[in-house]
Amino acid sequence: GDSVTQMEGPVTLSEEAFLTINCTYTATGYPSLFWYVQYPGEGLQLLLKATKADDKGSNKGFEATYRKETTSFHLEKGSVQVSDSAVYFCALSASNYGQNFVFGPGTRLSVLP
Amino acid sequence: GAVVSQHPSRVICKSGTSVKIECRSLDFQATTMFWYRQFPKQSLMLMATSNEGSKATYEQGVEKDKFLINHASLTLSTLTVTSAHPEDSSFYICSAAGQWNTEAFFGQGTRLTVV
Repeated sequence: GDSVTQMEGPVTLSEEAFLTINCTYTATGYPSLFWYVQYPGEGLQLLLKATKADDKGSNKGFEATYRKETTSFHLEKGSVQVSDSAVYFCALSASNYGQNFVFGPGTRLSVLP
Repeated sequence: GAVVSQHPSRVICKSGTSVKIECRSLDFQATTMFWYRQFPKQSLMLMATSNEGSKATYEQGVEKDKFLINHASLTLSTLTVTSAHPEDSSFYICSAAGQWNTEAFFGQGTRLTVV
C-alpha cells in the first residue's frame, strides 16, 4: 500500500537556521502531496501542498517541491523562527484537495532563541 | 480555513467503560468525516470514513463493533470507544470535508487514556 517516510525527530535548531525535513513516499498512481503542521494543543493545519510533479508548494517561508523521480517532497525554510516550533507531518492523498490521507510519522521541530 | 472542533481534548476513563468523542464542523456542512488514530511516535492511521446519513466505512483491521461511528448530521460525527482497554489509549483526531471533494479540515485531537 501507499506509505510516507519522513526523518525522525526531534530536530532542534537555533533561530534563523536553515531547515530541511526529508519526506519520501511510495504510492500507486499520482498522489497529491501535503505538509501539515501541528502547533502545541492545536489540530493539524495545512502548511502547503503540491498536486503534480515539479509543482512547488510554498507558505509562510516554507517550500517543498514534488519530485517524482526521487519520490520526495522535502520541506525547507531558509530561516526558522521560535514560532515555527511544532510537529510537521508529510502526507499523500489520492485527492487533489486532500481527504483520506496517508501520513508520515511526524517530525518535531524545536527552535531555540 | 474552516473550523473543526473536537471534544474532549483529553479524557481518562476506566477499563471496561465506553467513551464518546465528538467532532463538529462549526462553519460548514461536513458531508464526509474521517477518524484517525495516532500511536506514540507513529503516524496517524485512518480508522474510518463516514458520510452523513450512511454507515461508516472502516479500514482493514479496525473493529467496527469497538469503534462505533455515527454521522447523523452534517455538522457532527461521534466516535465511541466501547469497553475500553488500556491498549485503546491513543490520540484520536477527526477531519471533516464538505461537498465536491473539497479540502478536509482537522480537529485538535483527543488524548484518550484508559486506566
